[in-house]
Amino acid sequence: SYELTQPLSVSVALGQTARITCGGNNIGSKNVHWYQQKPGQAPVLVIYRDSNRPSGIPERFSGSNSGNTATLTISRAQAGDEADYYCQVWDSSTADVVFGGGTKLTVL
Amino acid sequence: QVTLKESGPVLVKPTETLTLTCTVSGFSLSNARMGVSWIRQPPGKALEWLAHIFSNDEKSYSTSLKSRLTISKDTSKSQVVLTMTNMDPVDTATYYCARIDMVQGVIIYDYWGQGTLVTVSS
Repeated sequence: SYELTQPLSVSVALGQTARITCGGNNIGSKNVHWYQQKPGQAPVLVIYRDSNRPSGIPERFSGSNSGNTATLTISRAQAGDEADYYCQVWDSSTADVVFGGGTKLTVL
Repeated sequence: QVTLKESGPVLVKPTETLTLTCTVSGFSLSNARMGVSWIRQPPGKALEWLAHIFSNDEKSYSTSLKSRLTISKDTSKSQVVLTMTNMDPVDTATYYCARIDMVQGVIIYDYWGQGTLVTVSS
């Protein structure tokens, strides 16, 4: 089955740029989506199809995807960005939806 | 305004069958682009996709849980139902339903329910 690998945690200084990676075999050939989940809340879509932002998501959130790594980039990080972030793909070979293990973002 | 709301038991015993209902509003389950997934999250752990169903009644199940899951929908009631058999304490989790918006053939979850915590214990 297809697997997505994320770092357990990422730390970033207030106002700096955070990068959260999502690794998978030839993930660059898939569409990757990112979700933000704050404690006690449901996930929220922040990036879809690699690099597209839903309405209402700040421009500070961006994404890229190439080779074996997709990346969520959060510019000018704010305290309110502290959350768990999950990447997600659809594995066409099995028809399974796959989530990464999640990354806890801490803003220092 | 799109909303999804999960309902079902908060506590089930081992070996019992869990039945969860997702009631949606603000969109129709007959919309060709739309579907609904069930996704769960054990306490402190990652999201895990369980199953989904589309407007044409096409269904798909997690490979690892396929034998235990059944998903169905009642379009007239705007409800999607998930049953999971033979519940075990490891199935303790918050269960979410989420709307699928098929953007150019890609599954994207654009709206989520608040989730419902199900505990499996005798």
